[in-house]
Amino acid sequence: KAGVTQTPRYLIKTRGQQVTLSCSPISGHRSVSWYQQTPGQGLQFLFEYFSETQRNKGNFPGRFSGRQFSNSRSEMNVSTLELGDSALYLCASSLDSRGETQYFGPGTRLLVL
Amino acid sequence: DQQVKQNSPSLSVQEGRISILNCDYTNSMFDYFLWYKKYPAEGPTFLISISSIKDKNEDGRFTVFLNKSAKHLSLHIVPSQPGDSAVYFCAASAIGNEKLTFGTGTRLTIIP
Repeated sequence: KAGVTQTPRYLIKTRGQQVTLSCSPISGHRSVSWYQQTPGQGLQFLFEYFSETQRNKGNFPGRFSGRQFSNSRSEMNVSTLELGDSALYLCASSLDSRGETQYFGPGTRLLVL
Repeated sequence: DQQVKQNSPSLSVQEGRISILNCDYTNSMFDYFLWYKKYPAEGPTFLISISSIKDKNEDGRFTVFLNKSAKHLSLHIVPSQPGDSAVYFCAASAIGNEKLTFGTGTRLTIIP
């Protein structure tokens, strides 16, 4: 079974631009979560989607948004990029029920200049 | 407010000895705990989990202990192997919430 895939793997943007990251979950998984990893803050939860609906949201500004499609693929968008948005963005999928472990993709490394 | 804390940013252990990674949490609503391992340039991979109804869970070389009264969990790896060198994250989730809250990670280095 193929794992979680994320595209692109690396991205360089400049301040003020916007970016869209993509995540394809493991086949059959309906829940997709997004995390931001930075050296100082560790892994921080952005949001979680299930059946095309945002089910949980972390403490990030409205510049961070996401969506999920009917095939469970998910996209995350960051508008008006800031230098501090430079991070590794990880997507994780799970079947659904609480307690199910999440399986992570390799991440998209975003550098904002 | 860091609800899940890993106070040791790094740990070095001799190969063959026991590695003990610690994690503390503050939210009493957390009832499910997980450990993830992360290599550079890869996403975290699930290692082992424990529900709050248990105080120990074992899987091969990995054992997780949960002390609910102290709000503390630990991961024991024995014997430690060079391939165990990675960053280890503990994570927790609360009743009725899929969201995982992660600690900041502990970099484990196994010395041959």
